[in-house]
Amino acid sequence: DGGITQSPKYLFRKEGQNVTLSCEQNLNHDAMYWYRQDPGQGLRLIYYSQIVNDFQKGDIAEGYSVSREKKESFPLTVTSAQKNPTAFYLCASSAPGQGIQYFGPGTRLLVL
Amino acid sequence: DQQVKQNSPSLSVQEGRISILNCDYTNSMFDYFLWYKKYPAEGPTFLISISSIKDKNEDGRFTVFLNKSAKHLSLHIVPSQPGDSAVYFCAASRAAGGTSYGKLTFGQGTILTVHP
Repeated sequence: DGGITQSPKYLFRKEGQNVTLSCEQNLNHDAMYWYRQDPGQGLRLIYYSQIVNDFQKGDIAEGYSVSREKKESFPLTVTSAQKNPTAFYLCASSAPGQGIQYFGPGTRLLVL
Repeated sequence: DQQVKQNSPSLSVQEGRISILNCDYTNSMFDYFLWYKKYPAEGPTFLISISSIKDKNEDGRFTVFLNKSAKHLSLHIVPSQPGDSAVYFCAASRAAGGTSYGKLTFGQGTILTVHP
């Protein structure tokens, strides 16, 4: 059963803490993406990766970091530098030459 | 700079009638357009797409129309069903290649409510 999994479903962050959101896909897709959704807004691109060991900043990369050590995995770290981290985070992937991105179920990050 | 805009935050229609969701874009480099459906606390689900070489694409009850000169696209749902009630996002991208490979730019979304 191919798809994208994200964990955890809910994540709580304390002040000054870094937290990491997991994203795994078994679709054999080369490209992976992280988006953030805030209430009443569309999805905004944080980071994306076209191939292993390579990634680029999206529109709102400040306060976030990523790694792409394996094709299947693209974890996102929300650092303490991100002053407004409360949002719904969505991971997506796409195949080469395909404009369609397929999304995971999302992680909601809340600040304690 | 909002390159993709959905100017209607919400739309309410009666079951069985047509739902028309609209989307405008400003970047003439966009050449691939998509519609996604999203339920609360879930990831978006791909619905239908259209390339800029076409002006219409149909899939069952869903049809997307593209007017390149007006930089406008619309999604028609006929007939509308209560299960269609969700947030609909339009998105745009450039074809694969270059540094903008696969990046999607999303509109703000339109909440569709279909009443029984």
